[in-house]
Parts: sequence; C-alpha cells; structure tokens
Amino acid sequence: GQNIDQPTEMTATEGAIVQINCTYQTSGFNGLFWYQQHAGEAPTFLSYNVLDGLEEKGRFSSFLSRSKGYSYLLLKELQMKDSASYLCAVRKASGTYKYIFGTGTRLKVLA
Amino acid sequence: DAGVTQSPTHLIKTRGQQVTLRCSPKSGHDTVSWYQQALGQGPQFIFQYYEEEERQRGNFPDRFSGHQFPNYSSELNVNALLLGDSALYLCASSSSANNEQFFGPGTRLTVL
Repeated sequence: GQNIDQPTEMTATEGAIVQINCTYQTSGFNGLFWYQQHAGEAPTFLSYNVLDGLEEKGRFSSFLSRSKGYSYLLLKELQMKDSASYLCAVRKASGTYKYIFGTGTRLKVLA
Repeated sequence: DAGVTQSPTHLIKTRGQQVTLRCSPKSGHDTVSWYQQALGQGPQFIFQYYEEEERQRGNFPDRFSGHQFPNYSSELNVNALLLGDSALYLCASSSSANNEQFFGPGTRLTVL
C-alpha cells in the first residue's frame, strides 16, 4: 500500500519556528518533495530531498531519513504570509514523475 | 517566461455532461501531469503525458482521458460527469532534466 501521513493542522506564532512532520510508506522511493499551497492557489515547490540529511534554503529546511520513512519541513522566523497548507509528496521511482501527495498540513501563523 | 497556464479558470457543468480542460506547460518542459484535488485533500495523480502518449495512470476510471499535442500542451477530458468530480484540477509540467514540477493555477470544476 501507499500511505503518507502529516498532521492536519498546526498553529504557531509569528517569529517562531515550526516543524511539520511527514511519514511515508510507499512501494518505491525516489525523492521527497515539499510544496506550499495558499488557499485557492496552486502548490509551489519548496524543497526536495533524495538522500538522507538536511537541505537548507533560507528560512526553510527539509530533512529526510529514508530508513525511517520520515521527513520534516522546518520553517524559521515565521511570517504571517507563511499561513498556508504544506504538502509532502513522494516520487515513486526514477524516471517517473508520479507523485503521491499527503493530505497536507494547514499552518496558521498568529500575530 | 510564462509559467504553466490552464484554462478555463472556473467551470460549472451538470451531471452527465462532458468537459475538456487545457494546459500549456512551462517553456522547455516536455512532460505534463494532471491531478485532481478535492477540498481539504492533497492532489491525486490522474495521469502523465510524455511524447504525446499516456506514460502513467493513477486510479481513475476510463471516463478520464487525455491528450498531448506536438507542442507539449495537453487536454484532460472527463465524460459522464458525476457530482464527485467537483474539484480543482491541476496541471503540472516538468522536464526529464530536473526534479521539479511546476503547477498551473488550476481549473475549478463544479458539477451540479
């Protein structure tokens, strides 16, 4: 079977740090992606991990552990505009662009 | 450079009708994937087109079909619409050279 789990909702305060976790069980793995999606808009690419470890990109970092089927997205210095849904997606195999998406984590940033 | 474009933005149909949605990929991209996103859910993979052929398909019935043209643009057709087909339909383009999918703004389909 294929399963991607993320928390449904999270709340954090402006300026704080938040970690959004994602666990996955898929038949095949060739990369984990994080997307941001504001309400009514298309997802936009945030990060990509294919090897274990941390990838840092400005205020956003993403971590992957393939042996544990686990990833997290870390958002630092939260801003109000970071209020959005964050989607975790797994690409199943090399040479394919079939992505399995989680249901997304809705993040609310409070002033 | 225009990103991924989709048309129309919104569409209202009734049960049993047919609909065609259109997508133009980002310049330089040769692969187009279609997703269905119900409210509050993540996108669900419908199918992917490459070199004018359906390369992969998700768990969607044959009522969902598509096409890719020589200029890499693509269409998604849905026949015999059901109420449950109401969703945001997203097109994503990519190239075989990199890992990133770019999504279009989507088409919001409402079936009454």
